[in-house]
Amino acid sequence: DIQMTQSPSTLSASVGDRVSITCRASQNIRNWLAWYQQKPDKAPKVLIYKASSLESGVSSRFSGSGSGTEFTLTISSLQPDDFATYYCQQYLSYPSFGQGTKLEI
Amino acid sequence: QITLKESGPTLVKPTQTLTLTCTFSGFSLSSTQVGVGWIRQPPGKALEWLALIYWDDYKRYSPSLQSRLTITKDTSKNQVVLTMTNIDPVDTAIYYCVHRRNECCNTWDAAYFDYWGQGTLVTVSS
Repeated sequence: DIQMTQSPSTLSASVGDRVSITCRASQNIRNWLAWYQQKPDKAPKVLIYKASSLESGVSSRFSGSGSGTEFTLTISSLQPDDFATYYCQQYLSYPSFGQGTKLEI
Repeated sequence: QITLKESGPTLVKPTQTLTLTCTFSGFSLSSTQVGVGWIRQPPGKALEWLALIYWDDYKRYSPSLQSRLTITKDTSKNQVVLTMTNIDPVDTAIYYCVHRRNECCNTWDAAYFDYWGQGTLVTVSS
């Protein structure tokens, strides 16, 4: 199994800040990585796929980078709607998710 | 427009078998490359992928739960059914039905998910 580890678990920020969330894979997953946003009592929504490709309809304030074992999701200029929990997911093989990063005000 | 909706019991007793149904629209599970799966999320915890079924009836299961899971499809009804045997309180979770992004990946084991159902909370308790 490929283990995914996110850091930090919780991130406090303010509207207008630029923030980054890190995701590490237990083995080389090349660029087979997706990022999701989940709001309370809602299903996750995909933001980024293939590590850095922006899903259609997603704000360009979201960007992804990295390859191999270390990846980053960056949100530029935080908006109130961005406060949520974020998950990374590898898809080199059977899907597995990180434990989540809660972005709070 | 793709939509998926889960249905099934909200309360299940330990050792019973859980059966969940996903009813979808906006695509056909008889079209090449299409896959539908299940993911769960215990309250306040992370997401866990469970199973996938493809247009050609190819099935993939989480290695840790494989012995307890069965996924089937009814193409004529636009439904996918997940059964989980020998249910335990640790199986309490929101269960999501998901659509695998077509042509996303390098193997059929792999997937990421572009459409999700609203989820259904299943509580396991005596």
